Amino acid sequence: GDSVTQMEGPVTLSEEAFLTINCTYTATGYPSLFWYVQYPGEGLQLLLKATKADDKGSNKGFEATYRKETTSFHLEKGSVQVSDSAVYFCALSDVGTALIFGKGTTLSVSS
Amino acid sequence: NAGVTQTPKFQVLKTGQSMTLQCAQDMNHEYMSWYRQDPGMGLRLIHYSVGAGITDQGEVPNGYNVSRSTTEDFPLRLLSAAPSQTSVYFCASSFPKSSGANVLTFGAGSRLTVL
Repeated sequence: GDSVTQMEGPVTLSEEAFLTINCTYTATGYPSLFWYVQYPGEGLQLLLKATKADDKGSNKGFEATYRKETTSFHLEKGSVQVSDSAVYFCALSDVGTALIFGKGTTLSVSS
Repeated sequence: NAGVTQTPKFQVLKTGQSMTLQCAQDMNHEYMSWYRQDPGMGLRLIHYSVGAGITDQGEVPNGYNVSRSTTEDFPLRLLSAAPSQTSVYFCASSFPKSSGANVLTFGAGSRLTVL
């Protein structure tokens, strides 16, 4: 079945460092791909999405490109801030299926 | 616009007790779902509904019941709570995939502890 694998955390960075969180997927069809973020004590909220190959999703300085050839959707940010500290979830949704999440990656940014 | 509202935010139960986690949305979303979040496990789908009167099982449905009598409400029932059901529960809703939008809106979560 469809699945999402993302890098294990925690990821600990200093402010202004470059961030990459790896995400790869397995799907039989052509899924849409998402990154959700969960700030402490809150529910998840959509960070960005891409619906087809080579699409780039972007929001709040974060970017991810849908790479069909490598089945990947890595999350990147050029300069992280303390306020970016959160848990990040990669997810996919295929035709007729519910959203499938990865296990989440905790990011901790220190000043 | 309240979005997705979950109650209660915190609950402690004893083994064998029953309870209902409430979920309500005011966005006229047809699709609603329940997830549980456990350390190292990510989010796992419990049950979902594509519209009033229609429900289906997700990845981990055992020990939980749902019903969908209205578009707005999607309660999750634990009939006989077990310690393994200690978790944080999230309700989420969206327009159906066929509309071209499948972005879930999440509630703030309900933290359940079963002793």
